[in-house]
Amino acid sequence: QQQVKQSPQSLIVQKGGISIINCAYENTAFDYFPWYQQFPGKGPALLIAIRPDVSEKKEGRFTISFNKSAKQFSLHIMDSQPGDSATYFCAASRNWGKLQFGAGTQVVVTP
Amino acid sequence: NAGVMQNPRHLVRRRGQEARLRCSPMKGHSHVYWYRQLPEEGLKFMVYLQKENIIDESGMPKERFSAEFPKEGPSILRIQQVVRGDSAAYFCASSPARDRGSYEQYFGPGTRLTVT
Repeated sequence: QQQVKQSPQSLIVQKGGISIINCAYENTAFDYFPWYQQFPGKGPALLIAIRPDVSEKKEGRFTISFNKSAKQFSLHIMDSQPGDSATYFCAASRNWGKLQFGAGTQVVVTP
Repeated sequence: NAGVMQNPRHLVRRRGQEARLRCSPMKGHSHVYWYRQLPEEGLKFMVYLQKENIIDESGMPKERFSAEFPKEGPSILRIQQVVRGDSAAYFCASSPARDRGSYEQYFGPGTRLTVT
């Protein structure tokens, strides 16, 4: 069964707007929640990550919000730019183990 | 500081042949993970290795697939008797030793396997 559920499947946002991608997980033993950005033909690039003892983490235009009680976390991309157009994956892992990925969100930022 | 290296970047094999995919982790990293991405799909875990040890192979198909990470040299993912359904992008990720307290996994550029 899919342990990490991601939505929406795709997203179109205007330049300067906010992109929001949501993920929900089932396994309360997960202790690491990263987000990856992937361009066509490239490998996933680590964007930002959070541990469950923190409710929010911000790096530049990217922010993770984490809700432990709801078992949900989200990625906010502020001031979205055309160069942010990519596929974004959330993931979760336990004890340095395998990453379990969401299905991905294709983000298109229009000029 | 070189990142994770994978070769070849593209590999074409006929049905029934063997495919060998190589991964060199980032300098100082001693843990390697292999993931597979089927066309238009997400990333699926295959196997997690340390030097000379398989830690978790719960995502590996039971037949035809094997992986190793020898004391010297790159990690190898080996697919015997390839079939068309093996066509995918195979990604390797590496992470530092556990005593460094880092959870990050850094991905390589992938090997795109096409089975004809």
